[in-house]
Amino acid sequence: GAGVSQSPSNKVTEKGKDVELRCDPISGHTALYWYRQSLGQGLEFLIYFQGNSAPDKSGLPSDRFSAERTGGSVSTLTIQRTQQEDSAVYLCASSPPGHLSYEQYFGPGTRLTVT
Amino acid sequence: GEDVEQSLFLSVREGDSSVINCTYTDSSSTYLYWYKQEPGAGLQLLTYIFSNMDMKQDQRLTVLLNKKDKHLSLRIADTQTGDSAIYFCAESAGAGGTSYGKLTFGQGTILTVHP
Repeated sequence: GAGVSQSPSNKVTEKGKDVELRCDPISGHTALYWYRQSLGQGLEFLIYFQGNSAPDKSGLPSDRFSAERTGGSVSTLTIQRTQQEDSAVYLCASSPPGHLSYEQYFGPGTRLTVT
Repeated sequence: GEDVEQSLFLSVREGDSSVINCTYTDSSSTYLYWYKQEPGAGLQLLTYIFSNMDMKQDQRLTVLLNKKDKHLSLRIADTQTGDSAIYFCAESAGAGGTSYGKLTFGQGTILTVHP
């Protein structure tokens, strides 16, 4: 079946502009995660959505970052007033409900470059 | 806080076994994972182990867990050139833990397989 998809695959933006990154999780998966991967910081957790519960936003690096998940499916990560240090690959993952909930499946990522 | 450490590089000859090591600090870790990342690609879940297990074997992959020493290893038997990639160790807490669902990753081990 289809895996996690993310769009766009690459995004180049100017410093100070806002960007939106999209994630389509695997159908039927109830949990959705955002991570980012950068040379300096490695792989970092950003935010976690589980069903209708309040999201765990503990990994968001600043209030310029926000995310929402509509209808329990698609998620959008928004970065306002982008800075050069936001340049990274943003990865989305989803996991199924029930006893397999610990298996996280990752999308191909969105490479964000802030110039 | 949680911390996961890996050695950065491993080079082996095709046909030999590879052993990638990882240490972690969070004693509440319930699930421990190995992910593989090929160039330009997302993360592929290779295997995982519950903290109440000592060993898990899956075809060419063997995971060993020493919970007392907080040490995890991944052995790849009969390593092939297609196994060349970055391998990430990760941990998460179980249900009920405050960090449930959130993966903490090591910095990754670059495995190079020589013909």
